[in-house]
Amino acid sequence: NAGVMQNPRHLVRRRGQEARLRCSPMKGHSHVYWYRQLPEEGLKFMVYLQKENIIDESGMPKERFSAEFPKEGPSILRIQQVVRGDSAAYFCASSQITLAGGSSNEQFFGPGTRLTVL
Amino acid sequence: AQSVTQLDSHVSVSEGTPVLLRCNYSSSYSPSLFWYVQHPNKGLQLLLKYTSAATLVKGINGFEAEFKKSETSFHLTKPSAHMSDAAEYFCVVTSAYSGAGSYQLTFGKGTKLSVIP
Repeated sequence: NAGVMQNPRHLVRRRGQEARLRCSPMKGHSHVYWYRQLPEEGLKFMVYLQKENIIDESGMPKERFSAEFPKEGPSILRIQQVVRGDSAAYFCASSQITLAGGSSNEQFFGPGTRLTVL
Repeated sequence: AQSVTQLDSHVSVSEGTPVLLRCNYSSSYSPSLFWYVQHPNKGLQLLLKYTSAATLVKGINGFEAEFKKSETSFHLTKPSAHMSDAAEYFCVVTSAYSGAGSYQLTFGKGTKLSVIP
């Protein structure tokens, strides 16, 4: 059973370019979360999505960042007009739906995408 | 609101000696607590979790942690360190109930464990 998959693993962009990060959740998981890890810091929650729905984007920067989880295909985290401060590791996690219909709080993480902005 | 404090940013132990990584938490609700391990340039792997059952939780690779409500602590221990344990460890808190507190994992800043041969 494949785990959470993220690609690319490493991404280099110049200031002003766009970065697209992809995440395929574990089989059977319908909840996806994105976290950002800055150097020497723990992970910080960015956004929580279900298929075709953004449930909570309270951790997303208000500008330049967007996320989607379409009906078909992976979840995408998109960063427009990247700046040096966007350099970080971006982790995707997924979880199952609970019997109660909510999100299980056990999340399974992918290997991350390390974004470097030159 | 919830928060996590990992008391040591770096711990160094000799191979074969005990490991203690300290974590204190704050939570407005009954917490769920986790320890994750991150090896260099790898993703995070769940070591163990506490979700209001037994207060002493056993995880993978010989690690265990004890939930102490009175001390708001969830320290990670292992009787005997192995070279392969060298990694960064994150203590994580979330709410045991539904709502934003249950899925927004709150991470500590991490503790880097070095194991000396």
